[in-house]
Amino acid sequence: DADVTQTPRNRITKTGKRIMLECSQTKGHDRMYWYRQDPGLGLRLIYYSFDVKDINKGEISDGYSVSRQAQAKFSLSLESAIPNQTALYFCATSDYGGRNEQFFGPGTRLTVL
Amino acid sequence: AQSVTQPDIHITVSEGASLELRCNYSYGATPYLFWYVQSPGQGLQLLLKYFSGDTLVQGIKGFEAEFKRSQSSFNLRKPSVHWSDAAEYFCAVGALEGGGNKLTFGTGTQLKVEL
Repeated sequence: DADVTQTPRNRITKTGKRIMLECSQTKGHDRMYWYRQDPGLGLRLIYYSFDVKDINKGEISDGYSVSRQAQAKFSLSLESAIPNQTALYFCATSDYGGRNEQFFGPGTRLTVL
Repeated sequence: AQSVTQPDIHITVSEGASLELRCNYSYGATPYLFWYVQSPGQGLQLLLKYFSGDTLVQGIKGFEAEFKRSQSSFNLRKPSVHWSDAAEYFCAVGALEGGGNKLTFGTGTQLKVEL
């Protein structure tokens, strides 16, 4: 089984709808992250969490919210989706320490019509 | 704030040829540097990382990278490219925060391998 899973893998929705993307991990890591990937822009950080009680905004948090339900679960919500939120979304996890890399999930492709 | 520049958006090489992907970073302290690869339809996989010590680091799949502080560079190399190396490659710099790394990614280099 994959260490970092994301559901759904693909989602098409309409403008104004509320959408939740879910991330689960079995790596036992405290730190979890949400990124979006757009062609030509690389990955940009939306939100990150260092433990269940710690949530931080990233570079592009406007229009998004998150919930850290447990150490292993970190959800990203779009309260009212808009077309420019169409992107590939990745969840990642890492262990404590600057030398530790982030491990990425397979991604969720979201299309907002 | 840290930043990463990958000046080549697309690179095409022939199978068996050598490869060098460029990465320049901006960061005030000693950086933590990473190279990730993204195959089509996949998530990102770590190729290698640098945090201190020997400036030439070895990674998976025959890749290596050299950290050059004077040039603020961390270029990725492979002596002989295989067709399966066709993918998008991302360089990232990490800023230590709260005991973890907050990564800033470059915009990526798309590698095409000609048979």
